[in-house]
Amino acid sequence: NAGVTQTPKFQVLKTGQSMTLQCAQDMNHEYMSWYRQDPGMGLRLIHYSVGAGITDQGEVPNGYNVSRSTTEDFPLRLLSAAPSQTSVYFCASRGHEGYTFGSGTRLTVV
Amino acid sequence: GIQVEQSPPDLILQEGANSTLRCNFSDSVNNLQWFHQNPWGQLINLFYIPSGTKQNGRLSATTVATERYSLLYISSSQTTDSGVYFCAVPESTDSWGKLQFGAGTQVVVTP
Repeated sequence: NAGVTQTPKFQVLKTGQSMTLQCAQDMNHEYMSWYRQDPGMGLRLIHYSVGAGITDQGEVPNGYNVSRSTTEDFPLRLLSAAPSQTSVYFCASRGHEGYTFGSGTRLTVV
Repeated sequence: GIQVEQSPPDLILQEGANSTLRCNFSDSVNNLQWFHQNPWGQLINLFYIPSGTKQNGRLSATTVATERYSLLYISSSQTTDSGVYFCAVPESTDSWGKLQFGAGTQVVVTP
């Protein structure tokens, strides 16, 4: 049982590039979400999904897109990377025993 | 929105010592979790504990929902216990749309 799997673990992008952060869970959880963690800012919610085909914005959605075509996968797309998006990104899913977080993606935009 | 306060902000322990971390929240909650963020940045789910007491090895947690606080106990601390401990509750009782995290307790366990 792998839980929540995020890829890649590390990524360096140039300003203006686009990329997709992958997130997959094998626990059949309906609810999934993306957070970013920045020093002094804590964890902030970017987007979330309550099931396949349903997504909604969180606290800091600008510059990010999501889709949920299957229960298992919830990718996060950066449309045009900016230095302000340098952060650690966490994907999470929620089941009956609360949230499980992935191991994170450390993204640097130069 | 709901406020979550953790204390103390920092804790330095000698290996083998016991400690108690506290989490206060400003409104009624129906769920609460404790997480450990290790020095490598991973967020590990320690306890899902909306009420009552749970134990897992050297760690245990108690939530008194009616008094709006939760406690995390670390006994016989080890260097691997170092990291930041967060408690988190749903932003509102009718939504799991967002977890509200406390600012965390930074724990350093010295040999």
